[in-house]
Amino acid sequence: EPEVTQTPSHQVTQMGQEVILRCVPISNHLYFYWYRQILGQKVEFLVSFYNNEISEKSEIFDDQFSVERPDGSNFTLKIRSTKLEDSAMYFCASSAGTTSFGPGTRLTVT
Amino acid sequence: KNQVEQSPQSLIILEGKNCTLQCNYTVSPFSNLRWYKQDTGRGPVSLTIMTFSENTKSNGRYTATLDADTKQSSLHITASQLSDSASYICVVGPGRKLIWGLGTSLAVNP
Repeated sequence: EPEVTQTPSHQVTQMGQEVILRCVPISNHLYFYWYRQILGQKVEFLVSFYNNEISEKSEIFDDQFSVERPDGSNFTLKIRSTKLEDSAMYFCASSAGTTSFGPGTRLTVT
Repeated sequence: KNQVEQSPQSLIILEGKNCTLQCNYTVSPFSNLRWYKQDTGRGPVSLTIMTFSENTKSNGRYTATLDADTKQSSLHITASQLSDSASYICVVGPGRKLIWGLGTSLAVNP
């Protein structure tokens, strides 16, 4: 069964550094998403992406965040200048009806 | 404000027993309601998805109910197994921007 994959599984970075989280959605899916989950808190919607553009974004998704689908298979989330409060699990998801989630990337900002 | 509240926050049951988890939501407009299972450190996995017109949906030992009038849903787990130990999250979608509950942490003990 096809799955959403994410790399890396764990990323440690220093405050102020840029990070890129990578995702490979399921191949025939058209909608892509990023969510984050701070430890012990609810999963929060960040952004949805369709037809090579952002279709919706939350208040969390400010100018420090960007998404890209550079090559038709990968879907990336970039955080330009990480803050301590960006430490969380970041989940990529894709859908064509049913939404499938990747295993997540644990981002630790020190 | 769109919110999803779940109860209980945590639950411990013995293997083989049944349990029911509750979800109350105030989300408008309503599109669908989903139950996800999330193992620790993993991405959510879909159990059921229900639209406004559906009252119940089953997936193996998992049965979800929906009362759109009272805006309540429940997830019933029958004959629990050790592998059912996880967080169960109720998610309500107004369109593609999903609103997540905090989840019920279920521990199934031998």
